[in-house]
Amino acid sequence: GQQLNQSPQSMFIQEGEDVSMNCTSSSIFNTWLWYKQDPGEGPVLLIALYKAGELTSNGRLTAQFGITRKDSFLNISASIPSDVGIYFCAGPLDRGSTLGRLYFGRGTQLTVWP
Amino acid sequence: GAGVSQSPSNKVTEKGKDVELRCDPISGHTALYWYRQSLGQGLEFLIYFQGNSAPDKSGLPSDRFSAERTGGSVSTLTIQRTQQEDSAVYLCASSLDGWSRNYGYTFGSGTRLTVV
Repeated sequence: GQQLNQSPQSMFIQEGEDVSMNCTSSSIFNTWLWYKQDPGEGPVLLIALYKAGELTSNGRLTAQFGITRKDSFLNISASIPSDVGIYFCAGPLDRGSTLGRLYFGRGTQLTVWP
Repeated sequence: GAGVSQSPSNKVTEKGKDVELRCDPISGHTALYWYRQSLGQGLEFLIYFQGNSAPDKSGLPSDRFSAERTGGSVSTLTIQRTQQEDSAVYLCASSLDGWSRNYGYTFGSGTRLTVV
C-alpha cells in the first residue's frame, strides 16, 4: 500500500530549540496534513496544505507543501514542554471511493526537556 | 455530541473471544472512519463509511473484522476470535463530508484493546 516515510522517528530537544521533521512519498499527494497526538488522545489536525509550494503558519508551526507534491515538512520554533507528543504527516489519494481515506506516516515522537 | 465518543476506552480480552468497539461520531457528520494504531506504527486505515454504506473496507485485515453503521450515526467495529496481534488502539474519526476537500477529521480518544 501507499507509504509515507516520515523522519526522524524521534527527537529529544531542549526547550527553546527549533524542530524540523519531514515526510516523503512515492506518490503525488494533492493535500498534505500534519497532526499531533497527545498521550491517550486521538490525533488533532495542526495544519492543512492544499497547493504545491504553499507555506502555511499556525503560531509557532510552519509547514510547506513540496513543489514535487511528494514531500512536506513541519517546523516548530522555540519549542515548549507542551509540544511533547507524536506528530504525523498524512494525506489522501484523491481517487474513486478512497476519497476521504488518509494515509499516515509512522510519526515523529517529540520530547522536550525543560 | 460535541466530539467523537468511543467506548470502551480500554478493553482487555482473552484470546479467542469476540469484542465490539463503539464509535459515536459528531452529530451531522456523514463520514466515519476506523483506524488502528499499533505501538510505534502510524495509523492503519480499516474502513470508511459514507452514511450507512462502506465504499471502502479494503483495510480490514481479515474476515474476523467487520463493521457496521446504523442510522448514519453510531458505528460498531467487531473483532471475532481475537488474536494477540489484534492488540492496538482503535481510533474512530468523523468528518462533515468525506467527499469534499474538508479533511478536518475529528478523532475520538480511541479504544485500547489488549488481547491476553
